[in-house]
Amino acid sequence: DAGVIQSPRHEVTEMGQEVTLRCKPISGHDYLFWYRQTMMRGLELLIYFNNNVPIDDSGMPEDRFSAKMPNASFSTLKIQPSEPRDSAVYFCASSLGGQSLAPLHFGNGTRLTVT
Amino acid sequence: GNSVTQMEGPVTLSEEAFLTINCTYTATGYPSLFWYVQYPGEGLQLLLKATKADDKGSNKGFEATYRKETTSFHLEKGSVQVSDSAVYFCALRVLQGAQKLVFGQGTRLTINP
Repeated sequence: DAGVIQSPRHEVTEMGQEVTLRCKPISGHDYLFWYRQTMMRGLELLIYFNNNVPIDDSGMPEDRFSAKMPNASFSTLKIQPSEPRDSAVYFCASSLGGQSLAPLHFGNGTRLTVT
Repeated sequence: GNSVTQMEGPVTLSEEAFLTINCTYTATGYPSLFWYVQYPGEGLQLLLKATKADDKGSNKGFEATYRKETTSFHLEKGSVQVSDSAVYFCALRVLQGAQKLVFGQGTRLTINP
């Protein structure tokens, strides 16, 4: 049973470059979440989707960040242009919503370093 | 609004010591409560959960009881091991409205042999 799959595992890029992070949720899950983790701010929810539709993007830091979910099995988080302060670990998570309130299943994250 | 407050870390204990990590919450609806654990270099993993008052979640020797009267969900383990060293997150999720998971700030636990 494959869990949430994120790629790449590590990304190092220069300031100003475009960065795309990828996520494959667990099959059958209808919620997908993007989180960012830093030492200073802890875990921050950036955006989440329900049935491929963005529900709450109030955590997206600014217009440089965008997220898409073109189908139930794939999502991307894009940063354009990237800045050093975007350096963090980005996690994708998926779950079943509705009445079950099932827990979130997290991927292993993408460690982003912007120099 | 919904929020979770955790005991500040870091917490350092000796092997076989008793562990308590405090967690309290505020919620507008009736939340489900979770503890997640994050080992170095990995994503968060569900440790245990409880969905209604007085439920006790348990896993790997860890326990937490859903206390509605004190709005708490404290994590306990009777005898910790070096392998329990990790960051622990308390979280809640409500059925009404936005179904996002709200996390506490995390508590770093280090167990010395």
